[in-house]
Amino acid sequence: QQQVKQSPQSLIVQKGGISIINCAYENTAFDYFPWYQQFPGKGPALLIAIRPDVSEKKEGRFTISFNKSAKQFSLHIMDSQPGDSATYFCAASRDGNNRKLIWGLGTSLAVNP
Amino acid sequence: KAGVTQTPRYLIKTRGQQVTLSCSPISGHRSVSWYQQTPGQGLQFLFEYFSETQRNKGNFPGRFSGRQFSNSRSEMNVSTLELGDSALYLCASRWGETGELFFGEGSRLTVL
Repeated sequence: QQQVKQSPQSLIVQKGGISIINCAYENTAFDYFPWYQQFPGKGPALLIAIRPDVSEKKEGRFTISFNKSAKQFSLHIMDSQPGDSATYFCAASRDGNNRKLIWGLGTSLAVNP
Repeated sequence: KAGVTQTPRYLIKTRGQQVTLSCSPISGHRSVSWYQQTPGQGLQFLFEYFSETQRNKGNFPGRFSGRQFSNSRSEMNVSTLELGDSALYLCASRWGETGELFFGEGSRLTVL
C-alpha cells in the first residue's frame, strides 16, 4: 500500500528549464513533508521541507508547493542545472512520538546541458 | 563533524549466508534508522532505534534484525540471505525521534 505516490518516475529537462515533481498522499494526519535529494553513490540528503500551515516554501531555486485540499505537494526546480541531476524523494509523516517517514518511490531527474 | 559512517561499503555473499552491517551515527545523534534501497522500490524502511530501543519497524521478515549499542552505533543483520536481498542498505541518524535524517553512503550488498 503506497501511501505517498510520486510522479513522474523519471524526468529529462533542458538546462535552464523548470523541473516539476509531484507527490500525492492519502493520510490527512500527515503534517510534515520533506524532499530529499540523492546523488549517485551517496545517501539522500534533506533538500527542503514544508508543513501544511503554509502553501509554499522557497529556498533558492527550489520551491515546494502544497495543496492541502487536494492532498498534493510538489517540488519545482527553477533554472535547472546539470548539477541538479539526481534522484528526488518526497516523504510524509505525522506528528507525535516515533515519527516515521512514508516515502515516495523517487524521481530520477536528468538535466541536459 | 564526521557524518554517518557505514561499513563495509561493498560486500558479496552467497545465498544462505548471513551478513552484518555496521553504522556509526553522527556524534550526539541517538536515533538510527535503516533502509533498503532497490531500483523501482525506493527507500523501504527496515527499523529505527532510539537509545538502544527499537521504536519503529517496517514490513520485513524476521531474517532482518538490528540492534543499537550504548554509544548509539548500530548493526543490522540479515540471516539466510536470498537473491532478493541484493540492495543498497542505508543508515540514517538524527538527534531525537523527529527531525532531519542524515544518511550514510550505504552498504551495497550483492547476493549470488
